[in-house]
Amino acid sequence: QKEVEQDPGPLSVPEGAIVSLNCTYSNSAFQYFMWYRQYSRKGPELLMYTYSSGNKEDGRFTAQVDKSSKYISLFIRDSQPSDSATYLCAMRMADPGTYKYIFGTGTRLKVLA
Amino acid sequence: NAGVTQTPKFRVLKTGQSMTLLCAQDMNHEYMYWYRQDPGMGLRLIHYSVGEGTTAKGEVPDGYNVSRLKKQNFLLGLESAAPSQTSVYFCASSYNSLGQSNQPQHFGDGTRLSIL
Repeated sequence: QKEVEQDPGPLSVPEGAIVSLNCTYSNSAFQYFMWYRQYSRKGPELLMYTYSSGNKEDGRFTAQVDKSSKYISLFIRDSQPSDSATYLCAMRMADPGTYKYIFGTGTRLKVLA
Repeated sequence: NAGVTQTPKFRVLKTGQSMTLLCAQDMNHEYMYWYRQDPGMGLRLIHYSVGEGTTAKGEVPDGYNVSRLKKQNFLLGLESAAPSQTSVYFCASSYNSLGQSNQPQHFGDGTRLSIL
């Protein structure tokens, strides 16, 4: 079993829809959670960064962490064609010296105009 | 402020050839990483460095070597390229040495490498 599971998609939605992207994980020691957006032929770009449980909002993006269920989500409101990309979740443990980030395999999102 | 820059962007090699991929960061980050990204497998850590002059093996180090002679640069070498090393290689950096711990990784735009 992988430490982090992420549905590969593709997920196709109409423009303006609310998108929900999710990851589940198995290691309860993970404390820091990240979402990256990766456009085709580009590197991952950090979107959201959260610590422990709770919600964090940034513009149209909301990151949600439910540590009791080992489940994290990224919501995109009023989705745009420019949001079409692959979204990677990532997580790490609390030790500030740790090098180990665990990544999901990514969910491909297509927002149709 | 360029962030993380990778050179070259594309390369085609023949089996058995060698090459070096260069990563440069201008954010004064202590930690640097090399990943490979393959379809359905996500990002896999090859090697990493927690500071100038130090390197360590990651998840898939076989067939690769690295060096961190300067804080801002992290080199990934393939001594004898094999078709199984065809992949997209990403460099990342993190962990600001000025005491800002727990910073997430910043990535370059990758090197697309094909081994024939």
